[in-house]
Amino acid sequence: QVQLQESGPGLVKPSETLSLTCNVSGDSITTSYWSWIRQPPGKGLEWMGYISKSGSTNYMPSLKSRVTISVDTSKNQVSLRLISVTAADTAMYYCARDRSGTYFSFEYWGQGTLVTVSS
Amino acid sequence: DIQMTQSPSSLSASVGDRVTITCRASESINTFLNWYQKKAGKAPKLLIFGASSLQSGVPSKFSGSGSGTDFTLTITGLQPDDFATYYCQQSYGTPITFGQGTRLDI
Repeated sequence: QVQLQESGPGLVKPSETLSLTCNVSGDSITTSYWSWIRQPPGKGLEWMGYISKSGSTNYMPSLKSRVTISVDTSKNQVSLRLISVTAADTAMYYCARDRSGTYFSFEYWGQGTLVTVSS
Repeated sequence: DIQMTQSPSSLSASVGDRVTITCRASESINTFLNWYQKKAGKAPKLLIFGASSLQSGVPSKFSGSGSGTDFTLTITGLQPDDFATYYCQQSYGTPITFGQGTRLDI
């Protein structure tokens, strides 16, 4: 059974860097695509980017200059790094995996982790 | 970017009702369209993929249709557990984009 669990600081100061990890169990991160998706309070879902099983990445253009998604195969983890955060980056952050046999139909999700950007 | 527009933004219905939510893409996305149910405090749940394929474990009261730019999600026999926010999402190309959501209230 595939399970994802996000972790990281719940509070980040403005202008600093947000770093989250997604611990994956029940699957190898080298066999699937992994995305980060966020939801600001009271707003809709926003896809941030993905890392493919080959390690290539693709990001939302509006975030491209600030976001990095990477993997640690030894720990079976996917990481998100977002630099120069502002209050607009306050959101629930989810990692997600595609449904097998499809691309970007997100079947597996972590429970999410809330990140607040505030001084 | 492909813009996804859902209508209505909110919808009131009663237990037992049948409702339809519409999603329109700003350009043709073939059938690369997915639907999710989102409840407060929980991760989104994939309901429909490929515009009309029912995700495993999802009851058949949920159905999807459409291709090109126009899509619908239909829910029959509404139960209290169905009252949530529903999102469409295109998987035709990057950046992946979601509709703004449709809140289904009792």
